Amino acid sequence: AQRVTQPEKLLSVFKGAPVELKCNYSYSGSPELFWYVQYSRQRLQLLLRHISRESIKGFTADLNKGETSFHLKKPFAQEEDSAMYYCALKRGGADGLTFGKGTHLIIQP
Amino acid sequence: GAGVSQTPSNKVTEKGKYVELRCDPISGHTALYWYRQSLGQGPEFLIYFQGTGAADDSGLPNDRFFAVRPEGSVSTLKIQRTERGDSAVYLCASGQAASGELFFGEGSRLTVL
Repeated sequence: AQRVTQPEKLLSVFKGAPVELKCNYSYSGSPELFWYVQYSRQRLQLLLRHISRESIKGFTADLNKGETSFHLKKPFAQEEDSAMYYCALKRGGADGLTFGKGTHLIIQP
Repeated sequence: GAGVSQTPSNKVTEKGKYVELRCDPISGHTALYWYRQSLGQGPEFLIYFQGTGAADDSGLPNDRFFAVRPEGSVSTLKIQRTERGDSAVYLCASGQAASGELFFGEGSRLTVL
């Protein structure tokens, strides 16, 4: 069975500092990985997906199949980055996403 | 509306009662998903519809839970004989099949007393 692990429930960093939110997964096939974000009082929404290889709001994430990781990174945190971040896995050929438990990111001024 | 709409936003019921939660997806989205989120947890997959049929219902916890999408648009999640452990936020999402991008509603918060 597939599993997504986000080891940090809470991550607090100062504005301007680098941010890395960890995500590890277990799945025997070829997964697709995603990061979803939920800002205060807003809906859960897609931040980025590994197949796009894009940077969204300064965030990037690289799929490392050897380490089965998909860590989310940003070189300089901004206060508006404070939110809940969820890593999610989509099995090849199937549609339901499996989510991690989430990391609450707090950016201190 | 432009987004996924869920009603009611809040539902308080007594143990043993029957509950229905409604989801109105984004027009044109063929895929519809139900998730459940308990406090401190990530969204937990319940069921996925492609069109009118349930393509994957492996996440439904037991036979008290059932969902329908009779016309391929609006979906209803039905919970019979509710238990206190059913208390959670029930999230609905829609999307284009196989895209992986889910558009979520604001959720229905269910409290079973």
